[in-house]
Amino acid sequence: AQSVTQLGSHVSVSEGALVLLRCNYSSSVPPYLFWYVQYPNQGLQLLLKYTSAATLVKGINGFEAEFKKSETSFHLTKPSAHMSDAAEYFCAVSEKNTGFQKLVFGTGTRLLVSP
Amino acid sequence: DAGVIQSPRHEVTEMGQEVTLRCKPISGHDYLFWYRQTMMRGLELLIYFNNNVPIDDSGMPEDRFSAKMPNASFSTLKIQPSEPRDSAVYFCASSLVPPGEKLHEQYFGPGTRLTVT
Repeated sequence: AQSVTQLGSHVSVSEGALVLLRCNYSSSVPPYLFWYVQYPNQGLQLLLKYTSAATLVKGINGFEAEFKKSETSFHLTKPSAHMSDAAEYFCAVSEKNTGFQKLVFGTGTRLLVSP
Repeated sequence: DAGVIQSPRHEVTEMGQEVTLRCKPISGHDYLFWYRQTMMRGLELLIYFNNNVPIDDSGMPEDRFSAKMPNASFSTLKIQPSEPRDSAVYFCASSLVPPGEKLHEQYFGPGTRLTVT
């Protein structure tokens, strides 16, 4: 069964520092992978997605993620954190055998950005 | 476009009462999803519809939960009777899969925070 593991429920960085949020997936077939962001009291918003094209995916707000099949990873990065990046981030996976519509989410990582 | 609309935004009810959550998807979208978010279990898919037809309800916790989509612009999630363990934030999401493509972005509503006392 497909699943994702997000290491670290909380990540703290200083403004201007590199952001690295980790995601590892488990899938029996080539997956589609996603990163979503959730701001307080709001729904989730798509940051970026990997759908078997380029392994380095660029998203909104300066975020990017690299699909590494050998490591079964899809880590999210941003070179320089802004205060506005403070939110909860979710990695998700979907598979062809579920029609790609069924997303399985990780437990989330809360990003804290300090001045 | 107004986005996915959910109502109410907050609901407080007593154990045993019936609760109905409502969702209006983005106009023209052909998929609708109901999710539940809790601290303990994270974000779980409960059920999803395609063209108003339920496709996968394997995430619905038990018979107390039911969902309907009578038309393309409206869906409900009902809990009867409600229990304290149903307290969570319930999200509705919708998407449109263009012909020839496999999937498209899911757009989430703001959620309904349900508290069952």
